[in-house]
Parts: sequence; C-alpha cells; structure tokens
Amino acid sequence: DGGITQSPKYLFRKEGQNVTLSCEQNLNHDAMYWYRQDPGQGLRLIYYSQIVNDFQKGDIAEGYSVSREKKESFPLTVTSAQKNPTAFYLCASSTGTGFDNEQFFGPGTRLTVL
Amino acid sequence: AQTVTQSQPEMSVQEAETVTLSCTYDTSESDYYLFWYKQPPSRQMILVIRQEAYKQQNATENRFSVNFQKAAKSFSLKISDSQLGDAAMYFCAYRTPTLLSNFGNEKLTFGTGTRLTIIP
Repeated sequence: DGGITQSPKYLFRKEGQNVTLSCEQNLNHDAMYWYRQDPGQGLRLIYYSQIVNDFQKGDIAEGYSVSREKKESFPLTVTSAQKNPTAFYLCASSTGTGFDNEQFFGPGTRLTVL
Repeated sequence: AQTVTQSQPEMSVQEAETVTLSCTYDTSESDYYLFWYKQPPSRQMILVIRQEAYKQQNATENRFSVNFQKAAKSFSLKISDSQLGDAAMYFCAYRTPTLLSNFGNEKLTFGTGTRLTIIP
C-alpha cells in the first residue's frame, strides 16, 4: 500500500537532547513537508522540500533541521535550541505541482520533553 | 501574508441534521486554492473537499459541500445528514497556486480548527 509512515508514534526526550523524527513515503512524491500542531492552534509549517537535496524554511524553522538525501525520506531533527518542542508533528507529501497537488499526511509523532 | 480564521472553536449538531462550519481568509491574490481537512481522534489529517478560486461553482463531495464567496473571502463547509463518524476537528486551509518559476508556494496555511461534536 502506498502512503506515508512516521516513526515513532510517541517519543520522549530529555531537555538538552537532540531527537530525530522519521518520515518515509512510497508515493513517489517530489515535495515533502513538516508541520507542527499545538493545542488550540492549526498546523504550522516548519520546513519543506520540493526536490531531493533542496529544502526551505517554513514559518517556524528555528530550533529544527532537516535533510533530503533521498526522495522518499525527509527526517526532522528537533535540536536542543528549540525552546518548546513538546508538540504533535505531522509529515506530508505531494506531487509538487498543479491543482491536484493534494498533500497526503502521515499519522504523526507525539514528542514530549521531560 | 495570507491568514485563515475559523471563529467557531466548537460546534455540535444532532445526528442526521445539517451543520455549517465557517472560515474566512485574507489574501491579495486573485487565484488560490481552499481546502477543508478533517482530523478525527486518530489525528490522521484527511482531505474533505477543495475549491479553486477561479471556479464559481461550489464544490460538492457527497454529504459535504462548500459555500465559496470570493468577494467576501468566505469559505464555509456544510455537512448534511451528520453521522457519528463526522465527529472530528475540521481545519480550513489556503494555498497559492504553483508557479513554475516560483516553487515554494505549495505550503498550506491553516486556521485554528473547529471541533465538531455529533449528538446521537
């Protein structure tokens, strides 16, 4: 089945530690995105990548880093510089162009900083 | 910058009745896309319906339809014959069209969501 997988589903981190969230897609999509969701707020864009080896900052990139070495993978690292990392993180992918450019979302990762 | 506003944090509707969720947005662009996403308790985001701004006809998907008022910058979602499975957070989202020379406009701007409860 084609889709997007995110792992792990739940992640706990101690303050001061970096942690990497995984996002993999087998939809052959060029574009991939990372969003953050906090209670009472909509999704906010962290980083996005339109093509392999290229990515751009979104609206709230501070304290995060990404890489896009393979088309199917777009891992997100939450660094110790991120002041309030506890949140729900959603990864998405799309074909990248056109009206039918629907973004498909993964199941998400809940990150809790202890 | 584009903004999306959902002024109803919570709504409830009796099963089998009709409910309308409101969304307004602000943009200076003439062409764009609008979406409604559903997020059930599983937290999986699911696309419900979409509308392209230049199309005057309101989009419809089975029990879901929109009332798109471009001049008023309003994009409401109507759910007919509400079912228990419709209970979820609903997010309105905005996206600019892709320009071949300006990749990077694919990002979605979301509203804060409306929590819909279905009363049996």
